Amino acid sequence: ETGVTQTPRHLVMGMTNKKSLKCEQHLGHNAMYWYKQSAKKPLELMFVYNFKEQTENNSVPSRFSPECPNSSHLFLHLHTLQPEDSALYLCASSQGSYEQFFGPGTRLTVL
Amino acid sequence: DAKTTQPTSMDCAEGRAANLPCNHSTISGNEYVYWYRQIHSQGPQYIIHGLKNNETNEMASLIITEDRKSSTLILPHATLRDTAVYYCIVRASHGSSNTGKLIFGQGTTLQVKP
Repeated sequence: ETGVTQTPRHLVMGMTNKKSLKCEQHLGHNAMYWYKQSAKKPLELMFVYNFKEQTENNSVPSRFSPECPNSSHLFLHLHTLQPEDSALYLCASSQGSYEQFFGPGTRLTVL
Repeated sequence: DAKTTQPTSMDCAEGRAANLPCNHSTISGNEYVYWYRQIHSQGPQYIIHGLKNNETNEMASLIITEDRKSSTLILPHATLRDTAVYYCIVRASHGSSNTGKLIFGQGTTLQVKP
């Protein structure tokens, strides 16, 4: 238990669906992150938020839309995804640039 | 942030020390060495970090060479539960005023065998 929770843990969606991934951190951190891990590939940073403000978008397609309503919650809204978007989506939090704590991830399958 | 090079895979006998090397020959003076690990299909877990001096915590020890161009993560008594992918990451920022993105490579797959 790292203090970072993610829901749902597994998600199957069609290409025309809209769904959202949720991340919550109970650590009092100010920074939150979304990472993507495709099969047999390293983790890729997607988005960074610092005090609710997006500070980095790593050239992520617009079908992925992040939302950070406060420092404890982070969402990833998904719309018209492609099968190649199937991956493990990981959320992390940190206090500044100190060590990051990761959630267990959401395993997403796009049919 | 400097690039790192790690062996693709290593084996270790249960109960023995696991020594995982990492090369970071282009590291600059203000860059830290971080180690994370990822057990299959779980989120990565922070292990340890260091700048110049050797570091030890309840999980592992980190030995950084004097020229800082390489480091070794040591798990003193490896168990089957230490089987994971271990990532060595170098990055500059370390403080409360910034965010700190992590650039993951392929890491080293450590297999601990009975």
